[in-house]
Amino acid sequence: QKEVEQDPGPLSVPEGAIVSLNCTYSNSAFQYFMWYRQYSRKGPELLMYTYSSGNKEDGRFTAQVDKSSKYISLFIRDSQPSDSATYLCAMSAIRQTGANNLFFGTGTRLTVIP
Amino acid sequence: DTEVTQTPKHLVMGMTNKKSLKCEQHMGHRAMYWYKQKAKKPPELMFVYSYEKLSINESVPSRFSPECPNSSLLNLHLHALQPEDSALYLCASSQDYLRPSNTEAFFGQGTRLTVV
Repeated sequence: QKEVEQDPGPLSVPEGAIVSLNCTYSNSAFQYFMWYRQYSRKGPELLMYTYSSGNKEDGRFTAQVDKSSKYISLFIRDSQPSDSATYLCAMSAIRQTGANNLFFGTGTRLTVIP
Repeated sequence: DTEVTQTPKHLVMGMTNKKSLKCEQHMGHRAMYWYKQKAKKPPELMFVYSYEKLSINESVPSRFSPECPNSSLLNLHLHALQPEDSALYLCASSQDYLRPSNTEAFFGQGTRLTVV
């Protein structure tokens, strides 16, 4: 079993739709949760960062973490064609080395149709 | 400024060549990382430096040799690579874990490496 599971899609939605992206994980030590957006042939861009449980909102993006269910979500409201990209969830636990070793999901490819 | 800068953006090298990838950040981060990403796959961790010391080597072949000259710079030296090493090589950095409010990792745009 992979440490982080993510539906690879592809996911196609009409412009203006609400998009829900999800990941599940098995390691209860994970405390840091991130969502990255990656356009084709570019590096991942950090969208949202959450420490421990709870919700976080930034503009059209909302990240939710439910540690009891080991489940995280990213919601995109009023989706735009420019949101078309691959969305990667990533998470990590505290390490003695002080470094943040990320465990990634496989990524969900999203297309927003005008 | 949340920028991680990688050079070069593209690199084509032969199997007998020696080349280096460079990464730079000025966010005061003390952890820096090399990741390898193949098409349609998530990034795979190669190396982690924490406070300029190599803390993680994910069983990477010796033809990849990392170097951290100072807290802002990270290099990846390449020698005798194979065509299957062709990939997007990503550098990332993060603050240390003692500050849980800001341990997120920021990535550079990557170096697209082709080995011929």
